[in-house]
Amino acid sequence: DARVTQTPRHKVTEMGQEVTMRCQPILGHNTVFWYRQTMMQGLELLAYFRNRAPLDDSGMPKDRFSAEMPDATLATLKIQPSEPRDSAVYFCASGLGWDSPLHFGNGTRLTVT
Amino acid sequence: SQQGEEDPQALSIQEGENATMNCSYKTSINNLQWYRQNSGRGLVHLILIRSNEREKHSGRLRVTLDTSKKSSSLLITASRAADTASYFCATDLLQGAQKLVFGQGTRLTINP
Repeated sequence: DARVTQTPRHKVTEMGQEVTMRCQPILGHNTVFWYRQTMMQGLELLAYFRNRAPLDDSGMPKDRFSAEMPDATLATLKIQPSEPRDSAVYFCASGLGWDSPLHFGNGTRLTVT
Repeated sequence: SQQGEEDPQALSIQEGENATMNCSYKTSINNLQWYRQNSGRGLVHLILIRSNEREKHSGRLRVTLDTSKKSSSLLITASRAADTASYFCATDLLQGAQKLVFGQGTRLTINP
């Protein structure tokens, strides 16, 4: 059963440190989304890619966040430097376009102290 | 920014009863999707309904869409304890960037 894989599942780091989260989308999916979930804001769309090209990253704080797809099997989300307000669960999801179901990974729970 | 808003925020019912959750959105859409999230897990897709459809079924799930009122409802019939989860609606935007935006969700608790 194909699934989206995210690593690490949990990350605790100190303020100012770089954080890299990785996502392996389902083989054959051409669209990858990054979402952030917090109790206060709910699910926020950070960035998404189609055929590895970034289509929209307007939801990301540009000064500290960056998202890339080095190849079709890997998407990365980096935070540098991290801040306590970045503490959240970060989800990656892949699909066959915005009008088809998304398949979510189980998320990376990030805690910045 | 949130496109969809679920109502109620929380719902608690007895096993066997039906659960209804509502979603309202602001701008015209191409399609609307419903997802479920169990605690500590990622979201799982339930149903996608297109703007030219009014109703869709999948097992014990029934989704309706009223584009004139910009609203959708998710009905779970004969609820089970395993249905306890958060339920989210997600909408795209008819115009502009094609991206999926989620509401805040409804927390559903099924009491045995």
